[in-house]
Amino acid sequence: DVKVTQSSRYLVKRTGEKVFLECVQDMDHENMFWYRQDPGLGLRLIYFSYDVKMKEKGDIPEGYSVSREKKERFSLILESASTNQTSMYLCASSLMGVTSGTSYEQYFGPGTRLTVT
Amino acid sequence: GQNIDQPTEMTATEGAIVQINCTYQTSGFNGLFWYQQHAGEAPTFLSYNVLDGLEEKGRFSSFLSRSKGYSYLLLKELQMKDSASYLCAVRDSNYQLIWGAGTKLIIKP
Repeated sequence: DVKVTQSSRYLVKRTGEKVFLECVQDMDHENMFWYRQDPGLGLRLIYFSYDVKMKEKGDIPEGYSVSREKKERFSLILESASTNQTSMYLCASSLMGVTSGTSYEQYFGPGTRLTVT
Repeated sequence: GQNIDQPTEMTATEGAIVQINCTYQTSGFNGLFWYQQHAGEAPTFLSYNVLDGLEEKGRFSSFLSRSKGYSYLLLKELQMKDSASYLCAVRDSNYQLIWGAGTKLIIKP
C-alpha cells in the first residue's frame, strides 16, 4: 500500500520561529511536492522536486525553502514563521513521466495543520 | 491566466445521482484529474481523463470535452460516505497541476 507520511498532524508555532515540516514517501517516487490549502482556494504549489537535491519554485515560494537530501524525504522550512502562513500543508509524491495517456497521479500525505500565533 | 471553476457547494439526497461540473482555461492540456477529500484528510485520486468521453469506475464516472474545456464527475447511488470535497485539477503544458477550489458535496438522508 502506497504511503506518504508527514511528521505532524497539528503544529502551533510563534511568529518568528523557524519551522520544519517533514514528508516521507515509501513508493520510490521521483517527484515530491509541497502545497498549502486554504478555505475557498485551490491547492497552491509552494515547491516541488523531481530528484535528490533538485528543487523548483511553485506559485507561492516566498517565505519558504525546501530540502531534499534523500529520494524519499522532502522537507519544507519556514525560515521565520508569520501569521499569514497559518494553513494546512500537504505533501505529495508521484512517479515522473510524460507518456501520453498515463496519469502519474499524485499521492498525498495526511497534512499538517500549522497555526502561527 | 490559468483558471479552474467548479461550484463551491452542492447538496444531494442519499441514493440519488449528482453531477459536479468543472470548467478550465489553462496553458496547454495534459489530462484532467478528480480527487476526493474527506474533511481533515488527504485528497485521494478518483479519476483521470485525457481523451474526450466518459470513463466509468463503479459508481463514479468522469467525462471530458477538451474543445469545451469542460469536465464533470457523476456520482450514482449516493451514500452518506460520499460526503466530501471533490477537487478538479488540470495538468498543463509544463506538466504542473492547476487545482480548482473544490466542491463540497453534502449528502442528506
